[in-house]
Amino acid sequence: QKEVEQNSGPLSVPEGAIASLNCTYSDRGSQSFFWYRQYSGKSPELIMFIYSNGDKEDGRFTAQLNKASQYVSLLIRDSQPSDSATYLCALRGTGGSYIPTFGRGTSLIVHP
Amino acid sequence: DAGVIQSPRHEVTEMGQEVTLRCKPISGHNSLFWYRQTMMRGLELLIYFNNNVPIDDSGMPEDRFSAKMPNASFSTLKIQPSEPRDSAVYFCASSHTTKAYGYTFGSGTRLTVV
Repeated sequence: QKEVEQNSGPLSVPEGAIASLNCTYSDRGSQSFFWYRQYSGKSPELIMFIYSNGDKEDGRFTAQLNKASQYVSLLIRDSQPSDSATYLCALRGTGGSYIPTFGRGTSLIVHP
Repeated sequence: DAGVIQSPRHEVTEMGQEVTLRCKPISGHNSLFWYRQTMMRGLELLIYFNNNVPIDDSGMPEDRFSAKMPNASFSTLKIQPSEPRDSAVYFCASSHTTKAYGYTFGSGTRLTVV
């Protein structure tokens, strides 16, 4: 049973700060990891994916992957109120399975 | 690219009625997923199709739920008879198995069974 664990939050940060969202997973063989953003009443939207250990940067977003410790994180620099949303961590299975496993998500609130 | 298209956006129906949700995946994607999202349970995978063939339907709650994918550009999820506990947002998502760039979600169908 693949599991993806996230703190449900809410995580509250002031505007301009760095928001750090974390995710741990149980399937050591997982290869692909994704971060989705979901605004209230909207569908999940892919914002980052990462396959290799280390950091991957895209604008204000940095995804970090540590396969040995089985965690993946998302850093949002210079947080804006528009970043307030639920962030879902997902991973793609092993053994040819293309079924993604999603965490329950972390609610982020960026206050002015 | 119009993305994944779902219809209807909202559906209100009475208990016992049949409900059909529709999905058009992104052209060229060969994998399609139906999810249900509630506050209590989060995103739950209902069924996964690959190349129009159902691969994993272990998440389908019970026999009242059925899904079809008659061709690469269309899928349906049917609930018959519907019950109040089926009220949720139902998402369709598509991807390509050999291009692991994530899964694209449709805008969802908000189902309310009264």
